[in-house]
Amino acid sequence: DVKVTQSSRYLVKRTGEKVFLECVQDMDHENMFWYRQDPGLGLRLIYFSYDVKMKEKGDIPEGYSVSREKKERFSLILESASTNQTSMYLCATWTVGYTFGSGTRLTVV
Amino acid sequence: QKEVEQNSGPLSVPEGAIASLNCTYSDRGSQSFFWYRQYSGKSPELIMFIYSNGDKEDGRFTAQLNKASQYVSLLIRDSQPSDSATYLCAVSGGGADGLTFGKGTHLIIQP
Repeated sequence: DVKVTQSSRYLVKRTGEKVFLECVQDMDHENMFWYRQDPGLGLRLIYFSYDVKMKEKGDIPEGYSVSREKKERFSLILESASTNQTSMYLCATWTVGYTFGSGTRLTVV
Repeated sequence: QKEVEQNSGPLSVPEGAIASLNCTYSDRGSQSFFWYRQYSGKSPELIMFIYSNGDKEDGRFTAQLNKASQYVSLLIRDSQPSDSATYLCAVSGGGADGLTFGKGTHLIIQP
């Protein structure tokens, strides 16, 4: 089975901090995705990548950037965290449908 | 803008009955359709996918697709309390740009 690992389960950061969310997959998959999930808004795509050093904007990229230097690792970066970025962040890789990581619940105070 | 619509619920079903979850989508070019189950505080897990019109069965789960009506459904037979969760419908256009998700239906199986 594919394993998708997100480095932190819970994270609390201060407004204005630069935040890194890490995601690692163990199956050499090309496509990786970052979503955020909020009550009443569902899952929304932030960024995705289909190869090393390649990235594409999703539906809500504002305030975020990504990095994919190695195939197995896809990082989401909050350049200057704000309270409206408090959310559950989910990383996924694509096989038949997504395999999700366990999620990072980020609180920005 | 692709849209996927689901009734948010809660949908309450007695144990042992059939739970029927529905989903409509806006993009007629959609190719692949997925159902995910998400327990509270957990990440979504894939339970079914379907590509062709008709029914697809896997154990107690049946996915139904009607592309002409742009409608996907999930039936859960012999519902168990452990089926209580939020069910997410997701749609793909077939490219590498990921899935569009509905907001989910909260299902409650009453013992």
